[in-house]
Amino acid sequence: EVQLVQSGAEVKKPGESLKISCKGSGYNFASYWIIWVRQMPGKGLECMGIVYPGDSDIKYSPSFQGQVTISADKSISTAYLQWSSLKASDTAMYYCARRGPNSFSSDYWGQGTLVTVSS
Amino acid sequence: DIQMTQSPSSLSASVGDRVTITCRASQSISNTLNWYQQKPGKAPKLLIYAASSLQSGVPSRFSGSGSGTDFTLTISSLQPEDLATYYCQQSYSTFPYTFGQGTKLEIK
Repeated sequence: EVQLVQSGAEVKKPGESLKISCKGSGYNFASYWIIWVRQMPGKGLECMGIVYPGDSDIKYSPSFQGQVTISADKSISTAYLQWSSLKASDTAMYYCARRGPNSFSSDYWGQGTLVTVSS
Repeated sequence: DIQMTQSPSSLSASVGDRVTITCRASQSISNTLNWYQQKPGKAPKLLIYAASSLQSGVPSRFSGSGSGTDFTLTISSLQPEDLATYYCQQSYSTFPYTFGQGTKLEIK
């Protein structure tokens, strides 16, 4: 069974750093792109970036380039999303999802990681 | 980036009704259009890929159509468990794969 399991909720202060994770199982993790998606409170879905664990190729959405860092470690089937200096506006739910073989759709999703940034 | 516009932003319908949600792309995207369902407090779920292909395990009352710039998601007979927000997403060409703004479906 394909599963993506994300790390738990985080509460941070502005200026702090953070790295959240997404661990895949039940499939060849290295062979499928992982997408990170942001959902701000009460808002819609936004694609942040995408990583191919097989060779760590990474593409960012222009809106998120320079704001976050995406990475992956295929040896432990885990993708990461990190911030070096959080802002209150980073408060959101973050999802990872697998880019499947059909029409580049996201066929499996993690449960989400809620990040709250507040002083 | 390719812009995706959904309509309506919200709608209310009764159990058994036929419901239609539309999605328009700012340029032609062939059939690279996907639909997702997000129930309250849950992660999104893939319903339809490549504009009209039903994802495995999704009830047959859901269907999709369209190509080019105009697409439709149809629920043939609305059920109580269909309460959710529905998103279209284009996956044409290179990243980012932009989403529509969502359509919130309420049950009367």
